[in-house]
Amino acid sequence: AAGVIQSPRHLIKEKRETATLKCYPIPRHDTVYWYQQGPGQDPQFLISFYEKMQSDKGSIPDRFSAQQFSDYHSELNMSSLELGDSALYFCASSSPFGGRPGELFFGEGSRLTVL
Amino acid sequence: AQSVAQPEDQVNVAEGNPLTVKCTYSVSGNPYLFWYVQYPNRGLQFLLKYITGDNLVKGSYGFEAEFNKSQTSFHLKKPSALVSDSALYFCAVREMGTASKLTFGTGTRLQVTL
Repeated sequence: AAGVIQSPRHLIKEKRETATLKCYPIPRHDTVYWYQQGPGQDPQFLISFYEKMQSDKGSIPDRFSAQQFSDYHSELNMSSLELGDSALYFCASSSPFGGRPGELFFGEGSRLTVL
Repeated sequence: AQSVAQPEDQVNVAEGNPLTVKCTYSVSGNPYLFWYVQYPNRGLQFLLKYITGDNLVKGSYGFEAEFNKSQTSFHLKKPSALVSDSALYFCAVREMGTASKLTFGTGTRLQVTL
């Protein structure tokens, strides 16, 4: 079965550079969530989109922005990168319909390292 | 606001013994409750969930969890632990409703030894 696809899986950037992470949800899923997991930390909610509109906002820095496109894929744009942005970034998708209501399906994550 | 508490940073258990990983939650409405497992440098792997119905939920790899509404708990259990169960376990809650976010606990590291 198709899963949530994230790219790139690994990314290395210098301080003050920009980075873009991409997320392709499971087909027919209309909601996308972004989470950030720092070393030894629990996943922290950043932002979510439902039907291409922002539905909720968590601890996302102002330097970050995200959007969901017409094909439901989402991109997380990070600018002026700081060392503390080094983390595993997870994308998840969900659908209110189908046989597994309420469940979020996670991708394998994109590991960002800022040097 | 919704929150999850996992009071134990680490749980140690011998292989073959039963294990319990504790979780309590707080949510204003009706909860969806989940357990995820994470192996080193890997993504979050779904174990089981409680949506409605039977309070005892059975999931992957022999794990189960019991929803207790009066104690607002959703403890993860397994009758007989395996060394391969050693990993980081996250409890999570979301409020019923479209596009509501999932809030994670701080995680409990399970260490199963021979």
